[in-house]
Amino acid sequence: GPKVLQIPSHQIIDMGQMVTLNCDPVSNHLYFYWYKQILGQQMEFLVNFYNGKVMEKSKLFKDQFSVERPDGSYFTLKIQPTALEDSAVYFCASSLGLGVYAEQFFGPGTRLTVL
Amino acid sequence: AQSVDQPDAHVTLSEGASLELRCSYSYSAAPYLFWYVQYPGQSLQFLLKYITGDTVVKGTKGFEAEFRKSNSSFNLKKSPAHWSDSAKYFCALEGRTEGADRLTFGKGTQLIIQP
Repeated sequence: GPKVLQIPSHQIIDMGQMVTLNCDPVSNHLYFYWYKQILGQQMEFLVNFYNGKVMEKSKLFKDQFSVERPDGSYFTLKIQPTALEDSAVYFCASSLGLGVYAEQFFGPGTRLTVL
Repeated sequence: AQSVDQPDAHVTLSEGASLELRCSYSYSAAPYLFWYVQYPGQSLQFLLKYITGDTVVKGTKGFEAEFRKSNSSFNLKKSPAHWSDSAKYFCALEGRTEGADRLTFGKGTQLIIQP
């Protein structure tokens, strides 16, 4: 079936550094999402993105977070600067549309460790 | 506000038994409901969804779920269960804002099927 890829699978950085998480969504999908999962807890919505714009973001999407998808390349999540509480697995997802087309396909996640 | 509750963190069954994983939700509008499965080290895989219409929906891998508006539930079922069904299962609700969707996940149920 359709696959979402995420690069890298693991990232370890020092607090205060910048990190960029990359997502390669399903090729014909139009809606893109980031979710955050802290170990042992449930997955939580961060942000969704459509037509070059953030449509909705949660309270977890701090000012230090930003997303973009320049020219149809990777859909990225940038954190600058990082904090200890940003350590989590970040999942990217994409969907073809909304409503009956709203099935989201998920990537395998990027495990971010902030030291 | 929207929320999803999966009251059973762990469920252990013998192979061949019938399984039912519980999910309840809270949402002010008509819900879109999903079940996803996550095998160790893998990304979330879509199992099935309820959008509208028939309250019993069938999905992949022999699973089905029943939407019950009366008690706001969307329980996942399969009979008989197979050892390969051992995984973590997530129920999710799609909350729709203008122009975009987000998924709200439950905490997940870890299912162990003993041979």
